[in-house]
Amino acid sequence: AQKITQTQPGMFVQEKEAVTLDCTYDTSDPSYGLFWYKQPSSGEMIFLIYQGSYDQQNATEGRYSLNFQKARKSANLVISASQLGDSAMYFCAIDNQGGKLIFGQGTELSVKP
Amino acid sequence: GAGVSQTPSNKVTEKGKYVELRCDPISGHTALYWYRQSLGQGPEFLIYFQGTGAADDSGLPNDRFFAVRPEGSVSTLKIQRTERGDSAVYLCASSLTPFDRGRGVGYTFGSGTRLTVV
Repeated sequence: AQKITQTQPGMFVQEKEAVTLDCTYDTSDPSYGLFWYKQPSSGEMIFLIYQGSYDQQNATEGRYSLNFQKARKSANLVISASQLGDSAMYFCAIDNQGGKLIFGQGTELSVKP
Repeated sequence: GAGVSQTPSNKVTEKGKYVELRCDPISGHTALYWYRQSLGQGPEFLIYFQGTGAADDSGLPNDRFFAVRPEGSVSTLKIQRTERGDSAVYLCASSLTPFDRGRGVGYTFGSGTRLTVV
């Protein structure tokens, strides 16, 4: 069975600073994908970034980067130059061969002006 | 359509009643997923369709929950004899195929249906 663990229920960051949101995973599948989603108070799930288990390089998408450490089974999200609009819930997820996503409990990020 | 559409956006029902939640995926997406998100939790997988058939229904909590996708596009999640514990946001997602994670775009979620059982 696959599992995602997010150990930070809440995080604070000063505007314009960088922040790292932690995610560890457990899976026995050799091939898997790791995702990060943002969920603002409006409730929609917004796709941020994806990392494949065989990808050699860490994924980056604008201000988002994924610090993928396969041996440690961690997939931390780094947000650079935080903005007030980054305040939201952030979910890490893993998918299996069948495509369904297993989500973590989430981290609530608050950006301070 | 341009995005995944879910209706209604909010549903209040009395305990014991039957409800139907509708999901209209992105046109051409063959894979469709239902998730349930309770307050303060991450979404939990319920069921996934590939075309018209349920490829994995292992997340359905009990036999009061059922979902269909008769023509391979719109899907309906049906809940019989609703209980207060069924109150949650029900999210639908679709993807081009179940294996397009290699494209790196993941899935597209709808805005969800907030179900409240009173």
